[in-house]
Amino acid sequence: DAKTTQPPSMDCAEGRAANLPCNHSTISGNEYVYWYRQIHSQGPQYIIHGLKNNETNEMASLIITEDRKSSTLILPHATLRDTAVYYCIVRVASHSGYALNFGKGTSLLVTP
Amino acid sequence: GAVVSQHPSWVICKSGTSVKIECRSLDFQATTMFWYRQFPKQSLMLMATSNEGSKATYEQGVEKDKFLINHASLTLSTLTVTSAHPEDSSFYICSAKAGLAGNEQFFGPGTRLTVL
Repeated sequence: DAKTTQPPSMDCAEGRAANLPCNHSTISGNEYVYWYRQIHSQGPQYIIHGLKNNETNEMASLIITEDRKSSTLILPHATLRDTAVYYCIVRVASHSGYALNFGKGTSLLVTP
Repeated sequence: GAVVSQHPSWVICKSGTSVKIECRSLDFQATTMFWYRQFPKQSLMLMATSNEGSKATYEQGVEKDKFLINHASLTLSTLTVTSAHPEDSSFYICSAKAGLAGNEQFFGPGTRLTVL
């Protein structure tokens, strides 16, 4: 799986958009970008994933650059409950069982 | 969305005893389940991959005789920490992947193990 690089921490004011960057310059053509988050003392939660097109769901938007070497997760209106560690993971999507390789992620603090 | 449960949510045990942690997929069948371990202020580390009806595949450095994994049905996997020691104290998290329904993994809430 391609390696990812994320800033260790970020702050965001409540109600503002949180933009979390991720670099994955060695990504292969068949690798997807996945985002998960982990609230303190809980299991990780799936947020979104994409291949090359931008994606949006009820939780967030995922913007992937045209060369696919980086992406940004956008939480449009951050709330205090969005305080968590956010993990950007690149891996092949497959019907078989591939585990997720979690890096250190970005610790997002949403402040009042 | 798919729900994965773990039981117990936390456990305290004496050194030398064994502890069993259950991971259940509540509303889908999980052909593959994964077990992770997370020490304080660190990221999740994969311990083993469990496929229903077959032996688990352990990551390098994880003792298979110490961490026994059983995946006897499509909705249940168990992790037994045998002869637990204080250094086994950690946050144990399982995840489950549906067969062909998609590629997302769904995580359990985790089990906090403290070995005295």
